[in-house]
Amino acid sequence: ETGVTQTPRHLVMGMTNKKSLKCEQHLGHNAMYWYKQSAKKPLELMFVYSLEERVENNSVPSRFSPECPNSSHLFLHLHTLQPEDSALYLCASSQRDRHGNTIYFGEGSWLTVV
Amino acid sequence: DAKTTQPTSMDCAEGRAANLPCNHSTISGNEYVYWYRQIHSQGPQYIIHGLKNNETNEMASLIITEDRKSSTLILPHATLRDTAVYYCIVRRGGSQGNLIFGKGTKLSVKP
Repeated sequence: ETGVTQTPRHLVMGMTNKKSLKCEQHLGHNAMYWYKQSAKKPLELMFVYSLEERVENNSVPSRFSPECPNSSHLFLHLHTLQPEDSALYLCASSQRDRHGNTIYFGEGSWLTVV
Repeated sequence: DAKTTQPTSMDCAEGRAANLPCNHSTISGNEYVYWYRQIHSQGPQYIIHGLKNNETNEMASLIITEDRKSSTLILPHATLRDTAVYYCIVRRGGSQGNLIFGKGTKLSVKP
């Protein structure tokens, strides 16, 4: 139990579908993140939200659309994905201050695009 | 953030201490050493971090050399559930979430 909960754990979607991944953190943190982990590749940072404002977008295609309605919730809206987008999507949170920024990850959502 | 070097794999007998080394010879004065692990099909799990003093928590101990160019993560009594890939990461305190995960060390704990 990491304090960061992701749903669903597994998702299969067609290329024309629209779906969303949900993340909730129970740690009182002020920053939330989406990462992508493809098979045999290192973790890739996708988006960073600090105090509900997007502060980083690492050249992610527009078919991935994040939403952060409050400091505890983060969504990743998915539409017209490609099979190569199949991966483990990880949500994380941290308390960002000048002393540190320890990041805590959720269990991840396995996405398969068919 | 500084680069790190770790062995590709290590074995450890169940019940023994697992000592995982990491080299970070280009570390700067304001950079912390973080350790995470990832068990297959799960998200990375934070283990411990430190700046220059040795640190201990309920999961592990972190020993940082005096020159800060290397460190060792110690799991005092390894169990089969500690089999995972262990990542040593160096990053500035307070920096945003660009954790650079390298290839890590695959630790196999054997009965």
